[in-house]
Amino acid sequence: AQSVTQPDIHITVSEGASLELRCNYSYGATPYLFWYVQSPGQGLQLLLKYFSGDTLVQGIKGFEAEFKRSQSSFNLRKPSVHWSDAAEYFCAVGRDGGFKTIFGAGTRLFVKA
Amino acid sequence: SQTIHQWPATLVQPVGSPLSLECTVEGTSNPNLYWYRQAAGRGLQLLFYSVGIGQISSEVPQNLSASRPQDRQFILSSKKLLLSDSGFYLCAWKSGANTGELFFGEGSRLTVL
Repeated sequence: AQSVTQPDIHITVSEGASLELRCNYSYGATPYLFWYVQSPGQGLQLLLKYFSGDTLVQGIKGFEAEFKRSQSSFNLRKPSVHWSDAAEYFCAVGRDGGFKTIFGAGTRLFVKA
Repeated sequence: SQTIHQWPATLVQPVGSPLSLECTVEGTSNPNLYWYRQAAGRGLQLLFYSVGIGQISSEVPQNLSASRPQDRQFILSSKKLLLSDSGFYLCAWKSGANTGELFFGEGSRLTVL
């Protein structure tokens, strides 16, 4: 069955430091991959998505992600974190042709001054 | 522009009482609609999805049911709530395109006592 693993439950980084959130997926075909962000008590917002083509994907708010088929990974990165980036981040994979979306357990990001 | 609304935002219900959460989408027609439940540390679990009026598919057997009486209305219900039904419920929509992103409502926090 298709699944998404986010190995880090929470991560703390200093403001201005770089960030990498890990995501591994299990999927037989070429996956549709997503990263979403959730502020406390809110719905989710799409940061970026990958379907095909260039494996380095740019998103909103200065985020990017790289698809690595050999490692079944889709890690999210940001070169310099801002305090407003503190939130929960979800990696997701599209299933059944992208019709359904399956989410990882999420990684909560804390930003310290 | 498209908008999605969920209500109520917060609900506290006793065990054994009924439940009705409502979700409506504006500005689009024939959307795919989804109900997710979010429990702490467990990511988002897909509960139900619908591709059209009266068409409901369940992802996991449980104490809940869903209905779609109108094209842009999606309702989550229960006849008798259990303690384990507590959680954060998110409604989402997607256009017919399989590779499209999900657009989420603000969520409904349900506490069963």
